[in-house]
Amino acid sequence: AQSVTQLGSHVSVSEGALVLLRCNYSSSVPPYLFWYVQYPNQGLQLLLKYTSAATLVKGINGFEAEFKKSETSFHLTKPSAHMSDAAEYFCAVSSNTGKLIFGQGTTLQVKP
Amino acid sequence: GAGVSQSPSNKVTEKGKDVELRCDPISGHTALYWYRQSLGQGLEFLIYFQGNSAPDKSGLPSDRFSAERTGGSVSTLTIQRTQQEDSAVYLCASSLGSGQNNYEQYFGPGTRLTVT
Repeated sequence: AQSVTQLGSHVSVSEGALVLLRCNYSSSVPPYLFWYVQYPNQGLQLLLKYTSAATLVKGINGFEAEFKKSETSFHLTKPSAHMSDAAEYFCAVSSNTGKLIFGQGTTLQVKP
Repeated sequence: GAGVSQSPSNKVTEKGKDVELRCDPISGHTALYWYRQSLGQGLEFLIYFQGNSAPDKSGLPSDRFSAERTGGSVSTLTIQRTQQEDSAVYLCASSLGSGQNNYEQYFGPGTRLTVT
């Protein structure tokens, strides 16, 4: 069975600081991995996805994630946080039907 | 272009009543997914359609929940005899295709259901 674990339900950083949101996955087959962002009272927006083409994936809004098979990780990073990055972030793995299996989410707070 | 739309955006209902939630996917998207987002359970898959058929209903929590899709387009999620634990945000997503591939799922804004 596939699963995703996000370490840390809340992360707080200062504006301009590095953002690191952690995600570990479990999958018996090569996974397709995703990071989604959800702003308050809105739906989910895709940030980036890993589909085995490259281990370092660049997404929108300056975010990127690195797939590390040896660590079964897909952590999300951004070099410099902006106030507008405050949101909830979800890591997900895709099943063989395409349905997404989500982690519990990490709320990112950005302090001025 | 138009994204995924859902209606109503908010629904308050009394315990025991039936509710219908609607999803209009992006035109041309053959796959449609329903998810539920609640405080206690996070984001959970409910059901998935490929065209009008539902190959995977494994996430429906009970037989009070059902969904259909007609014309390969609009989908309706019906909850009968609603219970307080059904209170959640119901999200719909659509994609060009399905299967374990890199088809991006586009999400609607959700329907917030409150059962009193």
